[in-house]
Amino acid sequence: DADVTQTPRNRITKTGKRIMLECSQTKGHDRMYWYRQDPGLGLRLIYYSFDVKDINKGEISDGYSVSRQAQAKFSLSLESAIPNQTALYFCATSDLPRGGTYNEQFFGPGTRLTVL
Amino acid sequence: GNSVTQMEGPVTLSEEAFLTINCTYTATGYPSLFWYVQYPGEGLQLLLKATKADDKGSNKGFEATYRKETTSFHLEKGSVQVSDSAVYFCALSQGAQKLVFGQGTRLTINP
Repeated sequence: DADVTQTPRNRITKTGKRIMLECSQTKGHDRMYWYRQDPGLGLRLIYYSFDVKDINKGEISDGYSVSRQAQAKFSLSLESAIPNQTALYFCATSDLPRGGTYNEQFFGPGTRLTVL
Repeated sequence: GNSVTQMEGPVTLSEEAFLTINCTYTATGYPSLFWYVQYPGEGLQLLLKATKADDKGSNKGFEATYRKETTSFHLEKGSVQVSDSAVYFCALSQGAQKLVFGQGTRLTINP
């Protein structure tokens, strides 16, 4: 079974609709992240959470919100979707760094979102 | 702020060719450096890492050396295979916080 799962895998929606993307993990990690991937731009961080009571904005949080329902669940919402939010969205998790030197992240398979 | 720059893609090679994908970074202090790979239809997975200057990360025949003097972490492989076709991302992490990714380089290997 996959350690990091995302639902749905594909979604087509219309401008102005509210949509939620969900992420679940069985790795027991405290830290979770949401990224979007656009061609030629790599991955950009939307939001991240270091524990259930901690939510932080990333570099492109406008138009998005998140909810950390439990250690294992981290949802991303688009309150009113617009076409330029069409992208591939990835959830990732990481453990507390051991020795404080690096941060290896484990990624879900992605959700392809199309906003018409 | 921190940033990562990768060579422009796409890169197309023949099987058994030598591969180099360039990566340079800008950061204060001493970040940790990573290469992630994304196979078609999948999420990213860690390929290799280096946490201090002069470290060499290696995995699956790929290597990259952390060069502090040139702020680089170039990915190399001596003989590529068709199964290496993927998108490769260079990334850095500073203070065990967030990852900063390069724009990705799409690699296609022809038989």
